[in-house]
Amino acid sequence: DIVMTQSPDSLAVSLGERATINCKSSQSVLYSSNNRNYLAWYQHKQGQPPKLLIYWASTRESGVPDRFSGSGSGTDFTLTISSLQAEDVAVYYCQQYFSTPPTFGQGTKLEIK
Amino acid sequence: EVQLVESGGGLVQPGGSLRLSCVASGFTFSSYWMYWVRQAPGKGLVWVSHINSDGSSTSYADTVKGRFTISRDNAKNTVYLQVNSLRAEDTAVYFCARVAFRAFCSSTSCFSDFDHWGQGTLVTVSS
Repeated sequence: DIVMTQSPDSLAVSLGERATINCKSSQSVLYSSNNRNYLAWYQHKQGQPPKLLIYWASTRESGVPDRFSGSGSGTDFTLTISSLQAEDVAVYYCQQYFSTPPTFGQGTKLEIK
Repeated sequence: EVQLVESGGGLVQPGGSLRLSCVASGFTFSSYWMYWVRQAPGKGLVWVSHINSDGSSTSYADTVKGRFTISRDNAKNTVYLQVNSLRAEDTAVYFCARVAFRAFCSSTSCFSDFDHWGQGTLVTVSS
């Protein structure tokens, strides 16, 4: 199975500041035939289902604010929140879907400083 | 509007059983692979099982293989997870999730993010 490792485990950022979460996969999730990275990001708030933010590593899901962006390729990926809002407090997960089974990172807890 | 609604969770003794259900609406259920993902208290998201669109292909995490069975009834727009021989470590919120509409799925494999999730159903295994 592909192991997904996120860093940091937790993060405290001031309102309006940038938040950056990293995700590293144990093997490449870039599919060479279509040049797509099979990597998604989710936001998970307590008591709610996970919400898809980003797929193909950098494509924002419909309705997701543009302060959320994804980047990276191969084995190293980043989720960036450009200007943190209070409603962004959550746990964030990366997920690879390059191979079965799909696997998630351990999560990064984002809080307000 | 796509909706996934789980039910069937509860408190059960070690060794007991439950049947979890996930009723889907707002999309052509029979066209989509469906997944179960769980989250133990204080832990992250972990894939448990999945089933292809017609129910002919299933897969399980090693931790649940032989104890859990996934199935679906496309006439009822419902996916099930029969959970048997429950252990304390199975305590978790169980989410059903749908593969994205853009997923690359054949009859035997699927590679996708999950664009819709249910609210989850809590299974607590304790004596």
